[in-house]
Amino acid sequence: DAKTTQPNSMESNEEEPVHLPCNHSTISGTDYIHWYRQLPSQGPEYVIHGLTSNVNNRMASLAIAEDRKSSTLILHRATLRDAAVYYCTPRASGTYKYIFGTGTRLKVLA
Amino acid sequence: DAGVIQSPRHEVTEMGQEVTLRCKPISGHDYLFWYRQTMMRGLELLIYFNNNVPIDDSGMPEDRFSAKMPNASFSTLKIQPSEPRDSAVYFCASSRQGLWEKLFFGSGTQLSVL
Repeated sequence: DAKTTQPNSMESNEEEPVHLPCNHSTISGTDYIHWYRQLPSQGPEYVIHGLTSNVNNRMASLAIAEDRKSSTLILHRATLRDAAVYYCTPRASGTYKYIFGTGTRLKVLA
Repeated sequence: DAGVIQSPRHEVTEMGQEVTLRCKPISGHDYLFWYRQTMMRGLELLIYFNNNVPIDDSGMPEDRFSAKMPNASFSTLKIQPSEPRDSAVYFCASSRQGLWEKLFFGSGTQLSVL
């Protein structure tokens, strides 16, 4: 299973962009990279996923390094509602195993 | 769409008692997952099913834990006997089949074993 490394915590000011990094150096060529976030007292919710190229949706953008050993989740304008724990989880190819780890706790300052 | 439904929302029990957690996945989803979350270990995958069949139970901590999926709309996670170190939030999630398909999580069951 691919291992991931994320910072334990990050802070951002409201209305500013946030870049959340994830290292997944052991990822294989066909593993999709998924990002989820967990708001307080809730289950994780899907944010975005990608394979090789950068991806955008209404919640965030995902920038994937050319060698796919790392990725960055970008929140373009952080709001107080974005305060959560963010997980990157490569999906092991050929399986449905999503390994979450401990994630990055994002604090948004008003 | 009602989402993934877990019950109970909270469970408090005494050490040695049997605990049963329940999950109803989203209709039409082929995969069901059980996760456990603690401060120390984060979110751990315990077991997952495909079409009601257990595929990977390598995350189940020990024989005290068992999971079943008797049909496509119901799954249980049982702990017998329970121990204080089993205290955690247990999440159930489901997804459709597909490389890009996302997980949908329930609200979790907060288990406290005294």
